[in-house]
Amino acid sequence: GAVVSQHPSWVICKSGTSVKIECRSLDFQATTMFWYRQFPKQSLMLMATSNEGSKATYEQGVEKDKFLINHASLTLSTLTVTSAHPEDSSFYICSASNSGLFYGYTFGSGTRLTVV
Amino acid sequence: GESVGLHLPTLSVQEGDNSIINCAYSNSASDYFIWYKQESGKGPQFIIDIRSNMDKRQGQRVTVLLNKTVKHLSLQIAATQPGDSAVYFCAEGQGAQKLVFGQGTRLTINP
Repeated sequence: GAVVSQHPSWVICKSGTSVKIECRSLDFQATTMFWYRQFPKQSLMLMATSNEGSKATYEQGVEKDKFLINHASLTLSTLTVTSAHPEDSSFYICSASNSGLFYGYTFGSGTRLTVV
Repeated sequence: GESVGLHLPTLSVQEGDNSIINCAYSNSASDYFIWYKQESGKGPQFIIDIRSNMDKRQGQRVTVLLNKTVKHLSLQIAATQPGDSAVYFCAEGQGAQKLVFGQGTRLTINP
């Protein structure tokens, strides 16, 4: 079945630094990848949608200059949290699809980001 | 982003009983619905899905019911087991648009 690998699974960084999170589709080509953020005891909030080779589409309220998304290949998308602050501490999750259709969505295992 | 989830409802059931988790969705134009299971510290795991042209779909120990009239979705888990303990999310989508997640329900199993 479709497998999405997310790395790292957890990261601690200092305020003001940048952190990159990778999302890889291991056995399929992901035409579309999604990035979500999840705060404790809350639901998944979509941050942005990225299609290979084009600019990401950000949800309202998500700062595109702070959360840089790159989807340079059909198997890799990255999310970079720039100038991280403690309020950016959250669980970041990606999902990928090879068809753009919902039943093709597979989620990564998530990345726990803690900014100190 | 969408999907508001300020508080997480909890459902406690006895091991072996059936569990019913409910979800109200917001967009009457949504034509696809998915239930996900999320264990602590992990990403969501697909459980079952249903299209809007159906009102019931069954899987292994799980059944999803869709009531489009009242925009309500439910997940039934038969013979609940300790391994079913998790947070369950419903998600709705339209065409190939983004998925919108519901607030989630924490299912706890009493021995």
